[in-house]
Amino acid sequence: AQSVTQPDIHITVSEGASLELRCNYSYGATPYLFWYVQSPGQGLQLLLKYFSGDTLVQGIKGFEAEFKRSQSSFNLRKPSVHWSDAAEYFCAVGARGSNDYKLSFGAGTTVTVRA
Amino acid sequence: ETGVTQTPRHLVMGMTNKKSLKCEQHLGHNAMYWYKQSAKKPLELMFVYNFKEQTENNSVPSRFSPECPNSSHLFLHLHTLQPEDSALYLCASSRLTGDGYTFGSGTRLTVV
Repeated sequence: AQSVTQPDIHITVSEGASLELRCNYSYGATPYLFWYVQSPGQGLQLLLKYFSGDTLVQGIKGFEAEFKRSQSSFNLRKPSVHWSDAAEYFCAVGARGSNDYKLSFGAGTTVTVRA
Repeated sequence: ETGVTQTPRHLVMGMTNKKSLKCEQHLGHNAMYWYKQSAKKPLELMFVYNFKEQTENNSVPSRFSPECPNSSHLFLHLHTLQPEDSALYLCASSRLTGDGYTFGSGTRLTVV
């Protein structure tokens, strides 16, 4: 079964600074990979996903993520953070081509943006 | 509009009450899920339905009773809850291909 690790529980970043959130996965083949964002009291919104092709994926709100097979990683980046990016971010992995259609989620990384 | 609609958005109930949470999707998805999200804890998968059939129950107490009358609707019936059941309950749906979920906005449940 697939699994996900988000090593950072909490990150604080200054507004306008760059942000990188780490995600490592465990899966025997190339998985489907996702980043979701959750604002307080809300559901999870899909930021971006990787299925195949270009390993640098562009998402909404100015986010991008890079799939690195050799490192089993799918890190999320944003060049310049806005105060509205304060939220919780979840990395998730899905099994490609198997009967297991459930996603496995990481524990989440909380991002605080300081002025 | 996320494609998955959850009602109500907020619910306060006493420990002796009976209430139900509703989830609806018209995305053509065949799998639906209930998750519990408590403060400072990871997402907890509660139930999974595939074409109306329950395929997973992660040791959820019987005071939570799911119902899936068709592929578009999912309910979570609640009775004699405990204060520790207070949480955000999230519904999600997906295809059966592992290519991602669509989440609802959640129901914030407070048990008093």
